[in-house]
Amino acid sequence: GEDVEQSLFLSVREGDSSVINCTYTDSSSTYLYWYKQEPGAGLQLLTYIFSNMDMKQDQRLTVLLNKKDKHLSLRIADTQTGDSAIYFCAEGSGGYQKVTFGTGTKLQVIP
Amino acid sequence: KAGVTQTPRYLIKTRGQQVTLSCSPISGHRSVSWYQQTPGQGLQFLFEYFSETQRNKGNFPGRFSGRQFSNSRSEMNVSTLELGDSALYLCASSSGTGASMKAEAFFGQGTRLTVV
Repeated sequence: GEDVEQSLFLSVREGDSSVINCTYTDSSSTYLYWYKQEPGAGLQLLTYIFSNMDMKQDQRLTVLLNKKDKHLSLRIADTQTGDSAIYFCAEGSGGYQKVTFGTGTKLQVIP
Repeated sequence: KAGVTQTPRYLIKTRGQQVTLSCSPISGHRSVSWYQQTPGQGLQFLFEYFSETQRNKGNFPGRFSGRQFSNSRSEMNVSTLELGDSALYLCASSSGTGASMKAEAFFGQGTRLTVV
C-alpha cells in the first residue's frame, strides 16, 4: 500500500530557511501536497505539485520533487515564528480524493 | 466564500454509544472526504463521497459509516464507540469532478471526539 514518511521534528532560527523532507512509495502518485496544521486547527493546504513537475515556487515556499527517488521537499525561506506548526506531506494517487498523509513534521522556529 | 464547516467542534461520548458528525463543504464542492487523526496513527483516510455515492473507503471497521446528501453535506456515524475511537475527525471538500481530480482539498477544523 501507499506509505509516506517524514522526519518528526525540525528546529530552525527565525530568518533561516527550513527544509522539510518527505519520501513516498506509490509511483502512481498524481499530486503531492504540503499541508500545515496549527494547534487546535484543521489542515491548511499550503501548496501542491503535479507529478510531472520538478519544482514549484510560491512566494516563500519552494517545492522540489524528485520522482525517480520519490522524494519531496518543502523549503520555507525566511522562516518566521508564525510558521511554527506541523507540516504534512501527502500524496494522492487515485482519482477519488483518497489522500495518504505522512506522519507530520513539527517545525519549531526559535526567535 | 464560507469554508468547510464541521459540527460539533467537541464531543464527549461513553463507550458503546453512537455518534454522528456533520460536515458542510464549500459551496459548489461535491466531494467530501473524511479522515481520522490520532497521535499514534496519524491521519488516516476513512471514506470519500461524491454526488451522494461513496467512491472510496479506507481500512476501517463497519462501525464507521457515512452518507452524503443531495446538497453535498455529509455525515459520518460511528456506532458502538470504543476508547480507541477518540480522535480528531477531519472533513475535506473539493470539487472532485470526474477523473481529472482537482488538487485542492480544503479541510474543516475538525470534530474532537473523546470516548470515555
